[in-house]
Amino acid sequence: GIQVEQSPPDLILQEGANSTLRCNFSDSVNNLQWFHQNPWGQLINLFYIPSGTKQNGRLSATTVATERYSLLYISSSQTTDSGVYFCAVIGRGGATNKLIFGTGTLLAVQP
Amino acid sequence: DAGVIQSPRHEVTEMGQEVTLRCKPISGHNSLFWYRQTMMRGLELLIYFNNNVPIDDSGMPEDRFSAKMPNASFSTLKIQPSEPRDSAVYFCASSGWDTQYFGPGTRLTVL
Repeated sequence: GIQVEQSPPDLILQEGANSTLRCNFSDSVNNLQWFHQNPWGQLINLFYIPSGTKQNGRLSATTVATERYSLLYISSSQTTDSGVYFCAVIGRGGATNKLIFGTGTLLAVQP
Repeated sequence: DAGVIQSPRHEVTEMGQEVTLRCKPISGHNSLFWYRQTMMRGLELLIYFNNNVPIDDSGMPEDRFSAKMPNASFSTLKIQPSEPRDSAVYFCASSGWDTQYFGPGTRLTVL
């Protein structure tokens, strides 16, 4: 099945810094989503982005489907950005809605 | 919309007891997913439904687990009998055509 790898596995930032998180996937995808799991465990959808670029406030994401990767940019980080960021995909060609999750990037933003 | 609703939010039970987790998807969504999250295994898809019909239950660990979706607005995940290794956070998610939205999760502890 499709493999999803995220990097870096963990990241520590000072408040105000910028960061880039990466998601590589091993096959073509129909669906790619970025999620933030906050320290209370809630999984929040950030972007649905199987291709192209989207922006939402300080966050933006770009997926280059032909090269099988996606990037999540966090600018001017805040302590509330702390948590785990997951990339999840649905492979193209399968008759399924099954999201395959990466292992996540653990982000800690220090004041 | 209220989002995906799960109950209970926390459940502590003793080994051998029956546990029932409940989920109300977002109105109008036609797919519903049950996930389990543990430190060791990350996020795992247990089962998903399309239009109330189970499509893929390959992630259900064993016969002790069962899931139902009697109508478009309600689903249950039952564990009988429960075991300590079932301790985890159980998430329900729903989607329309693309984006999956997660509920707050049920934290299950089996003593």
